[in-house]
Amino acid sequence: DTGVSQDPRHKITKRGQNVTFRCDPISEHNRLYWYRQTLGQGPEFLTYFQNEAQLEKSRLLSDRFSAERPKGSFSTLEIQRTEQGDSAMYLCASSSGLVQTKNIQYFGAGTRLSVL
Amino acid sequence: AQSVTQLDSHVSVSEGTPVLLRCNYSSSYSPSLFWYVQHPNKGLQLLLKYTSAATLVKGINGFEAEFKKSETSFHLTKPSAHMSDAAEYFCVVSDRSNDYKLSFGAGTTVTVRA
Repeated sequence: DTGVSQDPRHKITKRGQNVTFRCDPISEHNRLYWYRQTLGQGPEFLTYFQNEAQLEKSRLLSDRFSAERPKGSFSTLEIQRTEQGDSAMYLCASSSGLVQTKNIQYFGAGTRLSVL
Repeated sequence: AQSVTQLDSHVSVSEGTPVLLRCNYSSSYSPSLFWYVQHPNKGLQLLLKYTSAATLVKGINGFEAEFKKSETSFHLTKPSAHMSDAAEYFCVVSDRSNDYKLSFGAGTTVTVRA
């Protein structure tokens, strides 16, 4: 069990550029979640997958955001035409799909995005 | 809908003294409740979880929490604070109303004085 890994850990970009983040979940987990955390706040849900299917997108996720999990393993989160308001920590988590444990999520260290 | 309210945004304690972090929750169904800890520039680590078994839950690093349905509370305690406990703590609720997704409180920052 190598845990949830996220890449990169930090990303600095200029406003208007596109960025992509990657998340590798715990290998046997079929659920994968993305959250956004701004300074002084708790994480807010963005979207989640069961295997390759995207089950829900939060209204926080504007059209500039897209997430994929093409083979049901790793996931990518892309932000197009970044804005300064996108600056935040982006967290990925994974869990099993079993009823007993699907709500026990394990988090990666996050990707901190700074938009200049 | 589910939600949590963390009653203290900051808690400051002396090393070796007890820690109490307060959390109230709202849930229409039988909730699962969690406490996560986040150290600076680190990811979230699960401290403990309540999932309808024993109401007194023991977690890692000497923390424990008690589920009180009548008070809709899930307060986190530790008998003796250590310097390494300085971190951000999040109370989290989950239930079947939204497929067990997690809803986080705003967090409590704990500082430990030597």
